[in-house]
Amino acid sequence: NAGVTQTPKFQVLKTGQSMTLQCAQDMNHNSMYWYRQDPGMGLRLIYYSASEGTTDKGEVPNGYNVSRLNKREFSLRLESAAPSQTSVYFCASSEKAGTGGYEQYFGPGTRLTVT
Amino acid sequence: KQEVTQIPAALSVPEGENLVLNCSFTDSAIYNLQWFRQDPGKGLTSLLLIQSSQREQTSGRLNASLDKSSGRSTLYIAASQPGDSATYLCAVPPSGGSYIPTFGRGTSLIVHP
Repeated sequence: NAGVTQTPKFQVLKTGQSMTLQCAQDMNHNSMYWYRQDPGMGLRLIYYSASEGTTDKGEVPNGYNVSRLNKREFSLRLESAAPSQTSVYFCASSEKAGTGGYEQYFGPGTRLTVT
Repeated sequence: KQEVTQIPAALSVPEGENLVLNCSFTDSAIYNLQWFRQDPGKGLTSLLLIQSSQREQTSGRLNASLDKSSGRSTLYIAASQPGDSATYLCAVPPSGGSYIPTFGRGTSLIVHP
């Protein structure tokens, strides 16, 4: 199993450009997440999808949109990038672990710079 | 709102020391507690998951304990090695509603030879 995969690994955008970050998981998990990680701020939830067809805003959703394309894929779109969106973006998924409790798995991240 | 604090924020120790990393949380109504490791420039890797009904979990040189009533978890690393150098984060989801963990900001660990 590849686990959680993210593309691209690195991206540089100019202010105002748009792009979509892709995420896929092959663990048949129901829940998927998008986080951003900034120095001194920790991990912050952008959007969350509890199951295919549902999405909910997290702590910092402004400037982002998401699509839960199917059970495997959850994409994050920046419609008009701003320098404040320079960050590392992580996708994660979760389902009940073998021991009976939920466990999160993370992708390798996308490092985005907006100039 | 759940708040998760990790102390210390940074730690530098010589190889071979036994370490204790701390994670405290304000709301004891948790589903479980998960410890992660993050290497520089990488994603988060799950280390240990403790269910709310459990007191501890062990994996190799790692032992994590949970005291829900006092809102604390500790990650014990035995006989530390330079390869243990990384940032360690704890995450705590609520016992009800959606599974959305609150993360601590992590402890940055350096183990020098």
